[in-house]
Amino acid sequence: AQKITQTQPGMFVQEKEAVTLDCTYDTSDQSYGLFWYKQPSSGEMIFLIYQGSYDEQNATEGRYSLNFQKARKSANLVISASQLGDSAMYFCAMTRGLAAGNKLTFGGGTRVLVKP
Amino acid sequence: GAVVSQHPSWVICKSGTSVKIECRSLDFQATTMFWYRQFPKQSLMLMATSNEGSKATYEQGVEKDKFLINHASLTLSTLTVTSAHPEDSSFYICSARGAGSSYNEQFFGPGTRLTVL
Repeated sequence: AQKITQTQPGMFVQEKEAVTLDCTYDTSDQSYGLFWYKQPSSGEMIFLIYQGSYDEQNATEGRYSLNFQKARKSANLVISASQLGDSAMYFCAMTRGLAAGNKLTFGGGTRVLVKP
Repeated sequence: GAVVSQHPSWVICKSGTSVKIECRSLDFQATTMFWYRQFPKQSLMLMATSNEGSKATYEQGVEKDKFLINHASLTLSTLTVTSAHPEDSSFYICSARGAGSSYNEQFFGPGTRLTVL
């Protein structure tokens, strides 16, 4: 079985600063996908970034980067230059196999509040 | 990206009634749809996976007779909460994946907030 752990229930970050959201995972699979989603108060799930288990380079998408440390089984999300609109819940998730078409297992989430 | 809609966006019903939630892929054919439930201040928990034209696969602990899922077409899946009770009050979110999608593409609907009185 897969398990995702997010140890930070909530955190504050100053506008324009960077923030790191922790995510560790547990799986016996060799092939898996790691995802980060943002959920604003409206409830919609917004895909941010993806990392495949065989990808050697860390994924980046604009202000988002994923710090993938396979040996430590961690997949931390780094948000650079935080904006007020980044205030939301952030969920780390993973799939068995590389594809998002497989079912997602979510972590407990981290609430981020960006202060002006 | 592709668009997934849900209807209704919110619903309030009396205990004992049944509620149907629709999930539609608007501009692509969804070969697989997922249904998640999210209680307040909690994470998303997968309830079931449905593939077009076949029976849904339910996660352990989810009552298949209570949460009826139908994926009758490539653009529509429905979740019916039968004989709803207050403990079924939750945020229900569907997601969809199309055939030939790349690895990171699972598109989420906006969610349906169910309140059972």
